[in-house]
Amino acid sequence: AQKVTQAQTEISVVEKEDVTLDCVYETRDTTYYLFWYKQPPSGELVFLIRRNSFDEQNEISGRYSWNFQKSTSSFNFTITASQVVDSAVYFCALSEGWGDKIIFGKGTRLHILP
Amino acid sequence: EAGVVQSPRYKIIEKKQPVAFWCNPISGHNTLYWYRQNLGQGPELLIRYENEEAVDDSQLPKDRFSAERLKGVDSTLKIQPAELGDSAVYLCASSLGTGERDNEQFFGPGTRLTVL
Repeated sequence: AQKVTQAQTEISVVEKEDVTLDCVYETRDTTYYLFWYKQPPSGELVFLIRRNSFDEQNEISGRYSWNFQKSTSSFNFTITASQVVDSAVYFCALSEGWGDKIIFGKGTRLHILP
Repeated sequence: EAGVVQSPRYKIIEKKQPVAFWCNPISGHNTLYWYRQNLGQGPELLIRYENEEAVDDSQLPKDRFSAERLKGVDSTLKIQPAELGDSAVYLCASSLGTGERDNEQFFGPGTRLTVL
């Protein structure tokens, strides 16, 4: 069965610190897709990244970076030099097919303190 | 380009009352999703449409929930009668399609339902 675990319920860091959000997933399929979404206080889910299971190359986008390791079934997300605007709930998610339902983790609430 | 539009943004009703939510997806998006997000949880899929056809409604509680997408564009999700446990945020999402390059789901702001 599919499952996404985000063990960190809530994290607080001071602005400009780096922070890593952990994500561990379970799936029996060899082909799957991993996602990160951001949910600011406004409630709208904002897509951050999608990664397919065949692409283990890490990705960097500005202050955001993602580390995908199939050996440990992890897809961790790091924010470098955090800013107050990064405060939000972040969801890691998994899908076993294009267009299939996305299975979300419970989310990690991130507080960036000024 | 306009995003996914949902209305109302907030709804408060008493239990046993009916309620309906409306979603207008991004223009040209063929696939539409309804998710429910309980407090402190991630969203969970209720139903997925491809054009007018509901292709995955396995998680929709069919005794009280219904949905329609009559012309393959906007969609309505209905609960009748509502129960206390239905209090949640109902999110609508759409994607261009389900192929490898066009399945990114764009989410609306959601409708926050409170059942008293």
